[in-house]
Amino acid sequence: EAEVAQSPRYKITEKSQAVAFWCDPISGHATLYWYRQILGQGPELLVQFQDESVVDDSQLPKDRFSAERLKGVDSTLKIQPAELGDSAMYLCATATGGPETQYFGPGTRLLVL
Amino acid sequence: GNSVTQMEGPVTLSEEAFLTINCTYTATGYPSLFWYVQYPGEGLQLLLKATKADDKGSNKGFEATYRKETTSFHLEKGSVQVSDSAVYFCAVMNTGFQKLVFGTGTRLLVSP
Repeated sequence: EAEVAQSPRYKITEKSQAVAFWCDPISGHATLYWYRQILGQGPELLVQFQDESVVDDSQLPKDRFSAERLKGVDSTLKIQPAELGDSAMYLCATATGGPETQYFGPGTRLLVL
Repeated sequence: GNSVTQMEGPVTLSEEAFLTINCTYTATGYPSLFWYVQYPGEGLQLLLKATKADDKGSNKGFEATYRKETTSFHLEKGSVQVSDSAVYFCAVMNTGFQKLVFGTGTRLLVSP
């Protein structure tokens, strides 16, 4: 069964450093989502792509976060500079249709010291 | 905006016990409702869904009924197994808005 791949699985960084997360979607999935899941909370949508275009980034802290999906396939989420409050699980999900059809990757767990 | 309230966990049960995890929602119009499950070390998986009032979603022995009059979508299973131990998330989505809003999750621990 096809899966959404994410790397790294774990990342420890220091405050003010830059970090980047990578997501490889299921082949043919045009829609890609990045979520942030703070410990003890549900996932919160950060950004949604349709192919290479951003559909919704209203919850993305644009002063430090950026996301791209240059060829409409894999995607990168970057944080620069990282802050202590960014410690969370970052989930990627991809879909062929609406949000209810999305498949989630295993996530990248970020710890900012 | 939309929101979801789930019962706090952890919910601790013995194998073969009956499970209920409560979920209530706030949303305008006619939202769709979902339950997702997250097993340790894995991503979220869609467990079941219901798209209109009185619909019952079911999968793997779990079921939930869309109750518009009480704005609820409680998850139930008649006999849990150790392998059901996971975190369960209730979620709501407006058809027009097309964005999933998740609850905080409820951890289920099932002991042999």
